[in-house]
Amino acid sequence: KAGVTQTPRYLIKTRGQQVTLSCSPISGHRSVSWYQQTPGQGLQFLFEYFSETQRNKGNFPGRFSGRQFSNSRSEMNVSTLELGDSALYLCASSPGQRIDEQFFGPGTRLTVL
Amino acid sequence: AQSVTQLDSQVPVFEEAPVELRCNYSSSVSVYLFWYVQYPNQGLQLLLKYLSGSTLVESINGFEAEFNKSQTSFHLRKPSVHISDTAEYFCAVSVMGDDKIIFGKGTRLHILP
Repeated sequence: KAGVTQTPRYLIKTRGQQVTLSCSPISGHRSVSWYQQTPGQGLQFLFEYFSETQRNKGNFPGRFSGRQFSNSRSEMNVSTLELGDSALYLCASSPGQRIDEQFFGPGTRLTVL
Repeated sequence: AQSVTQLDSQVPVFEEAPVELRCNYSSSVSVYLFWYVQYPNQGLQLLLKYLSGSTLVESINGFEAEFNKSQTSFHLRKPSVHISDTAEYFCAVSVMGDDKIIFGKGTRLHILP
């Protein structure tokens, strides 16, 4: 089985722009979670989708949003980018509702200039 | 709310020496506990997990961790490290029945020749 894939792997944007990141889960997995990883804050949970519904949301401003499609692929969007949004964005998928079976993608490295 | 503390941000250790990476958590309810490993320029991989049962859990590459409820700890150990163990290690906790994982800030393991 192919693993979790994330596109693009690297992205450079300027302040004020918006960005969309994509995540394709492992085939058959219905849950997708997003995390932001920075040197200062570590790994922080953004949100989790299961069968196209957002089940959980972390403590991030409304500029961060996401969605999940019927094929379980997920996108996250960040509007009005700030310098502090520079981070590695990780996506993880799991087969169902069990949180103990998350598989992570390689991440998208976003740099905001 | 639950939280995870990894007391050491970096741990240097000589090759073939033993290592312990410390992790403490806080939660008033029952939890699941995890250790993830992140090799350079890669996503996270699940190393081992405690869900229930035996408090000592092992990974396939020689790591082990012991759940200690009274000390709210889940320290990761390996009796003899190899240069290939160079990575960042993340401890994580999830409350039973919840669908999100809270990560510690990570411990970078440096293997010295």
